[in-house]
Amino acid sequence: DSGVTQTPKHLITATGQRVTLRCSPRSGDLSVYWYQQSLDQGLQFLIQYYNGEERAKGNILERFSAQQFPDLHSELNLSSLELGDSALYFCASSASGVPYNEQFFGPGTRLTVL
Amino acid sequence: KNEVEQSPQNLTAQEGEFITINCSYSVGISALHWLQQHPGGGIVSLFMLSSGKKKHGRLIATINIQEKHSSLHITASHPRDSAVYICAVLPTGNQFYFGTGTSLTVIP
Repeated sequence: DSGVTQTPKHLITATGQRVTLRCSPRSGDLSVYWYQQSLDQGLQFLIQYYNGEERAKGNILERFSAQQFPDLHSELNLSSLELGDSALYFCASSASGVPYNEQFFGPGTRLTVL
Repeated sequence: KNEVEQSPQNLTAQEGEFITINCSYSVGISALHWLQQHPGGGIVSLFMLSSGKKKHGRLIATINIQEKHSSLHITASHPRDSAVYICAVLPTGNQFYFGTGTSLTVIP
């Protein structure tokens, strides 16, 4: 158990809908990273937050947004969902804002868009 | 084009064998990350390297910055090592780029 929690574990929804994925980092960790893992693209970095502020942005679509709250949990919002958004979404946390510190991964949320 | 290439894509080994997984990259990097993804999907960080060699139990990771190459070795492999091993590199900036993974199966 990494200490990182993600909810929900599974999510099934329809095209055009909007969903919110939630991540709680390990106690004391200030950084949260979001990753997408799809069958055709593999793992991709989406976005990083550090202590409430956006620190780095990767291949995140404009239909996706994220935020980190004062209690350090983070939410990833996916809107106007398309079939291709079906994937595993992982969050990871680390103590500092630099990406080369060890990251601890949550169990992931499996999103299926029908 | 993927900046990170892993080989082999698939690997089957007998229990007890010494295993090597390779990762080559094409850009200058500040760090390289080895991850293990279990059959159930969970991901564990194994090593973060910027130079030299690190060892943890039966796992050893090495990196050669000049040759843009890293290897992950597993000594005395065990069926519980069966997983996908993923290499990720960190060029300048804060974004990791991931390889497509090496799927390892260790047969008893």
